[in-house]
Amino acid sequence: QVQLVESGGGVVQPGGSLRLSCAASGFTFSSYAMHWVRQAPGKGLEWVADISYDGRNTYYGDSVKGRFTISRDNSKNTVYLQMNSLRAEDTALYYCSRDLKDTTMGVGYFDLWGRGTLVTVSS
Amino acid sequence: EIVLTQSPATLSLSPGERATLSCRASQSVSSYLAWYQQKPGQAPRLLIYDASNRATGIPARFSGSGSGTDFTLTISTLEPGDFAVYYCQQRSTWPPITFGQGTRLEIK
Repeated sequence: QVQLVESGGGVVQPGGSLRLSCAASGFTFSSYAMHWVRQAPGKGLEWVADISYDGRNTYYGDSVKGRFTISRDNSKNTVYLQMNSLRAEDTALYYCSRDLKDTTMGVGYFDLWGRGTLVTVSS
Repeated sequence: EIVLTQSPATLSLSPGERATLSCRASQSVSSYLAWYQQKPGQAPRLLIYDASNRATGIPARFSGSGSGTDFTLTISTLEPGDFAVYYCQQRSTWPPITFGQGTRLEIK
């Protein structure tokens, strides 16, 4: 079954850290770039970061640059999002998504999504 | 950063009617634009990519058009399951990838 399953969300205090995981199955994970997209409660979608199929190249949105780190372990079919210096505005449902095309950095569209993991930053 | 502006914010139509949703970019994105559908409590679903290509499994009643700065998503004949929020997204200047604010398609 082709799917993505996120985990690792929870409640964290401002300034704290959290590591999200996304386990992939049912497809050749190592061939695809992967992305994290978030959605604040009742709000729209915001792209967070992506990583090339081999993990060598990463890109970040301005709002998380310098605080978040995306990585992957192709031997475990898992992509990660390390989130440091968390702020209240980082509160959101975090989706892991697969790029549409199995090329180096992908093509920047998302054809497979997980169900998301909720991160709440609050004191 | 390219800003995508979607209109209208809310569209009220009845099943069987035709829906036309718009997305305007703050600068040209060529044809590098996608549309997603999101239902309550669900992840988004890719409908259209590269402005006019339907994603796998998407019914033919969904079509996309446009290039440059003005894009349209058309749903030819609305079915009950089509009422949802629709987002456009550009990948022309990447990073960052950006989304529009969404159009809510509701039952009239």
